[in-house]
Amino acid sequence: QVQLQESGPTLVKPSQTLSLTCTVSGASVRNGNDFWTWIRQHPERGLEWIGYISVSGRTFYNPSLRSRLSFSVDTSKNEFSLRMTFMSDADTAVYYCARAPYCGPDCYPPGEYFQDWGQGTPVTVSS
Amino acid sequence: DIQLTQSPSSLSASVGDTVIITCRATQGLLNSSAWYQVKPGKAPKLLLYGTSVLASRVPSRFSGNGSRADYTLTITNLQPEDFATYYCQQSYSFPLTFGGGTKVEIK
Repeated sequence: QVQLQESGPTLVKPSQTLSLTCTVSGASVRNGNDFWTWIRQHPERGLEWIGYISVSGRTFYNPSLRSRLSFSVDTSKNEFSLRMTFMSDADTAVYYCARAPYCGPDCYPPGEYFQDWGQGTPVTVSS
Repeated sequence: DIQLTQSPSSLSASVGDTVIITCRATQGLLNSSAWYQVKPGKAPKLLLYGTSVLASRVPSRFSGNGSRADYTLTITNLQPEDFATYYCQQSYSFPLTFGGGTKVEIK
């Protein structure tokens, strides 16, 4: 059974950079057939896809956030990470990591749905 | 971006009821839809993908249907553990987007 666990700060000051890590167990991030995903949920609002990355480095970001984002995968620790710059109040949310199976060479987007999720970690942006 | 509108935004139902949640997209999705169950403090759970394919270990009382821009999630014989918020999601195009959610509450 695949399990994911987010870790990182719960409080970030405005204009600072958020760094979150997702530790994976029960699966290997080396699996080229998976897309390692970040999703967030603002208070009292729905879910927002942030983006995903594969171990080969294929990365897809939400255009609304692209300029502030970078993702990475650490195969030695079996984890992947998110870095988001210039945090503001609008970024206060619960951040989830998830696994999207690769749907094959004939489909696009290459990761269609989110099979496994972490429990989420709350991040508040406040001075 | 493809916008997904779920209705209703909330509903009250009793154990044993049948519940239908709809998801309307701003364009056709060619069956590239999925549904999730979200409970506070717990990992969200994939219920269905490809419109109607039941995810692993999901009870058969959950079913999905739809075509073009309109999709539904049906829960028959509602159980106590089904009280949660449900979200649809599209994977027809980037950015992947979710509906606004439907909260299913106990009547």
